[in-house]
Amino acid sequence: EPEVTQTPSHQVTQMGQEVILRCVPISNHLYFYWYRQILGQKVEFLVSFYNNEISEKSEIFDDQFSVERPDGSNFTLKIRSTKLEDSAMYFCATFLDEQFFGPGTRLTVL
Amino acid sequence: LAKTTQPISMDSYEGQEVNITCSHNNIATNDYITWYQQFPSQGPRFIIQGYKTKVTNEVASLFIPADRKSSTLSLPRVSLSDTAVYYCLVGVAGNMLTFGGGTRLMVKP
Repeated sequence: EPEVTQTPSHQVTQMGQEVILRCVPISNHLYFYWYRQILGQKVEFLVSFYNNEISEKSEIFDDQFSVERPDGSNFTLKIRSTKLEDSAMYFCATFLDEQFFGPGTRLTVL
Repeated sequence: LAKTTQPISMDSYEGQEVNITCSHNNIATNDYITWYQQFPSQGPRFIIQGYKTKVTNEVASLFIPADRKSSTLSLPRVSLSDTAVYYCLVGVAGNMLTFGGGTRLMVKP
């Protein structure tokens, strides 16, 4: 079965540092997404990406966040200056006929 | 975006059939209904998707009445490993964006 992969599985960073979370989507999928889930809370949409540009974003996805697909395969989420409240699981998802989620990256901001 | 309402939690026993109902009163004409399962510290996993009437796959059935204002996920003969959070999402295929609180299903032996 095809799968979405994410690296790293766990990232620990200091407040104010930049982090880049990486995702390798399923190869023939066209839509890409980032979601986050704060511990014990629901899954929250951050951004969707189609045809090499952002198609939708939530109010969570402010100027501190950016996404790109630098080499046509990886799909990255960058947080420029992390805050304590950015600590969460970050899930990448891709879509063709159904949405497949990756295993997530646990981001811990100290 | 259509908002969904689900029970916060449900309990069941192994071998029983579990039905989880989701309300989505303002569903739009083009919206599909999709259900996901999530285990702790894992990404949501697609279970089933439908537009109207009944859809069945190897793990679940989805019942959607004619007015489409609700849907019911049916899990036949649950096991302990079905203990998870189940989410109902409503939206256009490819843009299922809004997760609600989900239903926490606890299956007991």
